[in-house]
Amino acid sequence: DVVMTQSPLSLPVTLGQPASISCRSSQSLVYSDGNTYLNWFLQRPGQSPRRLIYKVSNRDSGVPDRFSGSGSGTDFTLKISRVEPEDIGVYYCMQGSHKYTFGQGTKLEIK
Amino acid sequence: EVQLLESGGKLVQPGGSLRLSCEASGFTFRTYSMNWVRQAPGKGLEWVSTITNTGSTTYYADSVKGRFTISRDNSRDTVFLEMNSLRAEDTAVYYCAKGAQFGNWGQGTPVTVSS
Repeated sequence: DVVMTQSPLSLPVTLGQPASISCRSSQSLVYSDGNTYLNWFLQRPGQSPRRLIYKVSNRDSGVPDRFSGSGSGTDFTLKISRVEPEDIGVYYCMQGSHKYTFGQGTKLEIK
Repeated sequence: EVQLLESGGKLVQPGGSLRLSCEASGFTFRTYSMNWVRQAPGKGLEWVSTITNTGSTTYYADSVKGRFTISRDNSRDTVFLEMNSLRAEDTAVYYCAKGAQFGNWGQGTPVTVSS
C-alpha cells in the first residue's frame, strides 16, 4: 500500500505570511494514463473536507489563487502565498493513483 | 449545486450491523464513481471504499474488507455502505465523496460502536 507522509504536522503561521506543506509518497504517483493523481483538501474546524487542488496543481473552482500545488513523482508541495484567517484548519494530501491513501494531516494555526 | 446527504449513522453494539446511505443531487450520478471516507474522533481521514459508476467494480480498505459492502442504486441516485461485524475501532464520522478524485463531500453521519 502507498504511504503518504506529510510535514510538518503542525504549522504555526503569521497572518499575511507564506506557508508550505510537504507531502511524500512511498512510491511514484504517476498513473498508467500519464496523470498524477495527487489532491489537496482543507478541513476547517467543524466542517467536512473540501478539495482545493486536484492532479497536483489544478485549483478547484472558487479556490483563491494564493493556493498553489506543485511536485512530481513522489514529492509534492502545497503553498499558500499569504495566509488569511479562513485558511485555518487541517490540510490533507491524498493519492488516487493506487487505490486511495490520505496523509496524516497538517494543522495550520495562527502564531 | 452538488449535494450529498448521508444518513443512517447511530449507536450500535459491537458485532452489530448498520447500513449507511448517501443521496446525491445536482449532478449526473450514474456517470461518477462514489466513495466512503471515515474520520475517527480527533483523527485524520481514512479511505474506506469506492464503487465505480456502474457498480460493477468495488474497492475496500484492508481494515474493512470482508465486513463492509458498498453498493449503489443509480435509479435513486444513492450509494450505500453495509457494515457488519462492527468493532469499536469503526467508530467515526462517515462521509461520502463524489468522483474518482473526491471533488465534493457530504456533511457526514456519525457511527458509534459501543456497548
